Order: sequence, then C-alpha cells, then structure tokens
Amino acid sequence: DAGITQSPRYKITETGRQVTLMCHQTWSHSYMFWYRQDLGHGLRLIYYSAAADITDKGEVPDGYVVSRSKTENFPLTLESATRSQTSVYFCASSADRGLFSYEQYFGPGTRLTVT
Amino acid sequence: AQSVTQLGSHVSVSEGALVLLRCNYSSSVPPYLFWYVQYPNQGLQLLLKYTSAATLVKGINGFEAEFKKSETSFHLTKPSAHMSDAAEYFCALMDSSYKLIFGSGTRLLVRP
Repeated sequence: DAGITQSPRYKITETGRQVTLMCHQTWSHSYMFWYRQDLGHGLRLIYYSAAADITDKGEVPDGYVVSRSKTENFPLTLESATRSQTSVYFCASSADRGLFSYEQYFGPGTRLTVT
Repeated sequence: AQSVTQLGSHVSVSEGALVLLRCNYSSSVPPYLFWYVQYPNQGLQLLLKYTSAATLVKGINGFEAEFKKSETSFHLTKPSAHMSDAAEYFCALMDSSYKLIFGSGTRLLVRP
C-alpha cells in the first residue's frame, strides 16, 4: 500500500541545470497535481493532469514542464533551474469526479534547493 | 475570483484549551471547502471537508468546522488541544475547475 510517493525527497542543484522530480501513485487516480509550497504563500498549483496525456497549467507554471504518459506517473521538470524555484514541491492525486470524493491525497514532498 | 483567507499565521494555545483557526472564503458559487493538516516534514493530510451537506462537519482527531454562508467562513475548532496537534493547518476551496485554492496556512503552537 505505497499510495503516493515522490523522489528524490531532497535535491540540491545549481542554477541553469535541468532537474526532474518524480511522482508515482498506486491508486490509478485520474487526476494528479503539482504544487509548490513557499513561506507565506501556502500551496500554489503549478500543473495538473486530468488523465494520461492531458495536462494543464495552474497558477505558477512558468519554468516548469510536465508529462503524463502513464496514469501512475506525473514527473515535473525544471528545464533551467533558478534560485526562485527553491521550494518544497508536493504531488497530489484524486479520484474521478464521478466518485464525488474531491479529496486530494498528497505525497511527502521534495525539498529542492537551487544554488 | 475565488480566494481563501486564513487569519493569523501563528496561533498559540495551552494544552487543554480551545483551538480556533479562522478561515474566510470568497466564491460566487456554492463552495466545497477543506481543512488540511501538515506535520513537520510531511505532506498534507485531510482533516475534514464540506461538500454542501451538513453545515457542521466533523473530522479526524476531534476537529470540526462549521460552514457559515452568511459570514463566508469555515472556521476549524477543537475543544481541547493536545501537544500532538501542533502542526500547520491549511484551509482550501475547490474552484469551478475542481482545483484547490489554498490559504496561506496557520501554524498552531501548543504550550504545555
């Protein structure tokens, strides 16, 4: 019963480097989300996906790329990392709207530092 | 535009005292509202949710929240604080596209 996992849990990278954060869920949930958490801002949505091969921008998508070739995986890529992308990143998933649960389940987070 | 405001970035209570964490929302449609808790170095965990059924919602760990449309509020309460309740609490609103809009969070400190 792994649920939703994120890797790595901690990452330090240099400005300008590409970095990919992984997210994997075992529930076959249709919806997946990426958030960043910064002090004073709560959680802000970066990208989300309604199903495999369907993705859409959230509130703060600039500088990020996502893909979803398989239902269970939703990687987030920082194409050229900047210091402003230093943050804690959370992945979440939720079941189909038809189940009316609306609950999002969160992974443990990835703490990313860009030097 | 839909939004969530949490009043007080930090709330400190004594163990055994009432916990009250405030959340106000702005929405032009009937809202779905949530409270999440985040313990140190962990992800968010759902405490409770309001989805237009009963206005008083009971959640896990003895927490409850009351939806008040006239006040556009969804405050979180617990009659008696435990040391284990120390965490950060987030109020969230589901927007018309089924995405969550979070408040900025309230850190609850529990004094022995």
